[in-house]
Amino acid sequence: QVQLVESGGGLVKPGGSLRLSCVASGVTFSDAWMSWIRQAPGKGLEWVSYTNPHTTHTVYADSGKGRFTISRDNAKNLLFLQMASLTVEDTAVYYCARLGPETCVYDWGQGTLVTVSS
Amino acid sequence: QSALTQPPSASGSPGQSVTISCTGTSSDVGAYNSVSWYQQHPGKAPKLIIYEVTKRPSGVPDRFSGSKSGNTASLTVSGLQAEDEADYYCNSYTGSNGVFGGGTKLTVL
Repeated sequence: QVQLVESGGGLVKPGGSLRLSCVASGVTFSDAWMSWIRQAPGKGLEWVSYTNPHTTHTVYADSGKGRFTISRDNAKNLLFLQMASLTVEDTAVYYCARLGPETCVYDWGQGTLVTVSS
Repeated sequence: QSALTQPPSASGSPGQSVTISCTGTSSDVGAYNSVSWYQQHPGKAPKLIIYEVTKRPSGVPDRFSGSKSGNTASLTVSGLQAEDEADYYCNSYTGSNGVFGGGTKLTVL
């Protein structure tokens, strides 16, 4: 069965940076479309970014364009999200997710909490 | 891209049926048969329960069913059980990205 385990969350000051990681198992990672989805405390789900298996096609939500970068290391089954210029509005649980066709989310990680606060 | 519109809450008694709507536009829900639904219990990650409008992943009870008419998709939970109490989110493909609904809190009375 597919397992996705995120790490790298924590407390960061406004304007700071953070890199999230996600390690995948139980799936041929190099064939998988992957994404980051976030959920602010008490709020709904929001797409952050997704990528095809070789990051030749990446999509970002408007909220993260120019600040967030999705990347992956297929040899190590790793997905990353580099986040910069963070604001309090970026405070959320960030989920790593494996996608099926047309943004259907097949599998979710347990999430990692990012808190942006001074 | 605006979020899809879901009612904030829904409720039903055990054994009853409840339907949750998800309204989008002709650019998302109305344009693609790529609507999916997710169940999220408190403190847990979401779980896929319906994909491609009507299909259920293996292991999801057939009490959960999906449909679509025009720009509105719907999730029906039949024979409500206590464990169905959760938040439910729809998602639709937009041609370039996905868009979630705002979520519906389902209460089993």
